[in-house]
Amino acid sequence: EDKVVQSPLSLVVHEGDTVTLNCSYEVTNFRSLLWYKQEKKAPTFLFMLTSSGIEKKSGRLSSILDKKELFSILNITATQTGDSAIYLCAVERRGSTLGRLYFGRGTQLTVWP
Amino acid sequence: GAGVSQSPSNKVTEKGKDVELRCDPISGHTALYWYRQSLGQGLEFLIYFQGNSAPDKSGLPSDRFSAERTGGSVSTLTIQRTQQEDSAVYLCASSLLAVQETQYFGPGTRLLVL
Repeated sequence: EDKVVQSPLSLVVHEGDTVTLNCSYEVTNFRSLLWYKQEKKAPTFLFMLTSSGIEKKSGRLSSILDKKELFSILNITATQTGDSAIYLCAVERRGSTLGRLYFGRGTQLTVWP
Repeated sequence: GAGVSQSPSNKVTEKGKDVELRCDPISGHTALYWYRQSLGQGLEFLIYFQGNSAPDKSGLPSDRFSAERTGGSVSTLTIQRTQQEDSAVYLCASSLLAVQETQYFGPGTRLLVL
């Protein structure tokens, strides 16, 4: 059975801390891995990763994929209270419905001032 | 519209009643997806539309669930004879095409079945 596992499930930090969120996957015919940020209800897209070892950056957020070890990490540096959200990892498979995503349960990040 | 919209935002219903949830995708987006997010769980795929056809309905949890899409735009997810386990947030997403395209999510409908 395909699996996407995120850890930790929840994390509480103080402003200015750096956090690393983990996502491991066991899926057949991997195509891509995506990270979303979910505040309130609508997930918003952060990154799509398809190649190993190539870091993607957006401001204080960065992510990298390891296709050999089957995991990805999402780093957030100098955290702010606005980073508080659920961070979702999802995997897309080749050969399945195009665009169908398999999600992990998410990491609930809380940043205290 | 500027983004994906869903209605209603919240729905409370009694067990056994039917409900309809609506999704308006971004204009011109041909691919549309429905997901369900139960408390403390990740998003669970329900159904995918390409245009008006649904080539993948494999995620629908039972025959009480159905969905349609008309005019390549608006989609309706219908749940008949609702059960308490149907309580969840139902999210809709659309993308311009289905291949390697970012999916844009709507704000969801929070359904509570009493």
